[in-house]
Amino acid sequence: KAGVTQTPRYLIKTRGQQVTLSCSPISGHRSVSWYQQTPGQGLQFLFEYFSETQRNKGNFPGRFSGRQFSNSRSEMNVSTLELGDSALYLCATSQETSTDTQYFGPGTRLTVL
Amino acid sequence: EDKVVQSPLSLVVHEGDTVTLNCSYEVTNFRSLLWYKQEKKAPTFLFMLTSSGIEKKSGRLSSILDKKELFSILNITATQTGDSAVYLCAVTPNTNAGKSTFGDGTTLTVKP
Repeated sequence: KAGVTQTPRYLIKTRGQQVTLSCSPISGHRSVSWYQQTPGQGLQFLFEYFSETQRNKGNFPGRFSGRQFSNSRSEMNVSTLELGDSALYLCATSQETSTDTQYFGPGTRLTVL
Repeated sequence: EDKVVQSPLSLVVHEGDTVTLNCSYEVTNFRSLLWYKQEKKAPTFLFMLTSSGIEKKSGRLSSILDKKELFSILNITATQTGDSAVYLCAVTPNTNAGKSTFGDGTTLTVKP
């Protein structure tokens, strides 16, 4: 089985721009969770999607949004980028719920200049 | 709010040493506790623990959960330099709409 894939792997943007990240889950996995990881804050939960619906949301501003498609692939969008948005963005997928074992993708390293 | 505290924050040992990493938690409606290893890339799954007192083992790594005292330990015996990584602990609640809460991790450095 192919693992979780994320694209792009690296991204450099400037303040004020917007960015879209993509996550393709393991075949059969329907839950996709997004995390932000920074050296200062550790791994923080952004949101979880299941069956094209956002099921749970972390404590991030509205500039962070996402969606899930019928094939369970998910995208995450960040608008009006700020320097503090520089981070590793990880998606993790599981079969039914975020409470099952999650398998992480390689992440997208976003640098905001 | 769910909370996970890992200790120590960092640890430096020599090859061949045995280490014990700790994870204590507070979570509403506990379902599972998971351990991950993270090197310079995304976390990789190590163990999922749901029942107290049952040790999970994989090679030189083992883990056990105490649901009464709300903690788990991860043991690594005969450490190798390849064990150097950040070890993350996460708990998940027992609801379909639940989210995993992660600790800050323990950074383990194994010196030759």
